[in-house]
Amino acid sequence: QTVVTQEPSLTVSPGGTVTLTCASSTGAVTIANYPTWFQQKPGQAPRTLTYSSINKHSWTPARFSGSLLGGKTALTLSGVQPEDEADYYCLLYYGGAWFFGGGTKLTVL
Amino acid sequence: QVRLQESGPGLVKPSQTLSLICTVSGGSISSGAYYWTWIRQHPGKGLEWIGCIHNSGTTYYNPSLKSRLTISVDTSKNHFSLKVTSVTAADTAVYYCARLVEPTRDFDIWGQGTMVTVSS
Repeated sequence: QTVVTQEPSLTVSPGGTVTLTCASSTGAVTIANYPTWFQQKPGQAPRTLTYSSINKHSWTPARFSGSLLGGKTALTLSGVQPEDEADYYCLLYYGGAWFFGGGTKLTVL
Repeated sequence: QVRLQESGPGLVKPSQTLSLICTVSGGSISSGAYYWTWIRQHPGKGLEWIGCIHNSGTTYYNPSLKSRLTISVDTSKNHFSLKVTSVTAADTAVYYCARLVEPTRDFDIWGQGTMVTVSS
């Protein structure tokens, strides 16, 4: 069973930059794993921020960007806003099944 | 605009079958290349992919849950469903349905989620 690992928590100052990462127990994350990042705020359903590594939705703020970085998938927030405080989840595809990371709780302080 | 809405019992007894429906509105469940997906979230925990069904009827299941799962589509009612047999307290969760777009593999639409508690 594939295990996907994220930082449990990160703290960033308003206006700062932070990178969340997501690693796989099976090896380097590639575009073939269709890396996806979600944001979830309390009491709300998750919403997709980026998919297939770098693609964004119309609702994804420009300050969010997805990438592949050193064998992992990463989500970078540049110019963090207070409303970015949330839980962030990555998701990876392996041969017909999808595996979520445990989530990163991002605190803006 | 396509919307998804989960529905089903909020309380299920242990050992029984959990049954949920996700109703698709604003579009046909048969059109386009989509995987209709179920995801759950245990209270205070992370997300877990349960499984999905393609328009063609092909299903994919979480290997750790596969033996207890059935996902199906009813095109006449424009909804898809989830059945989980032999439930335990570990199946207590918020259950979400979502649409996965091919070939981009984009989970573009989510339902609001429905809480299911397994308890006697």
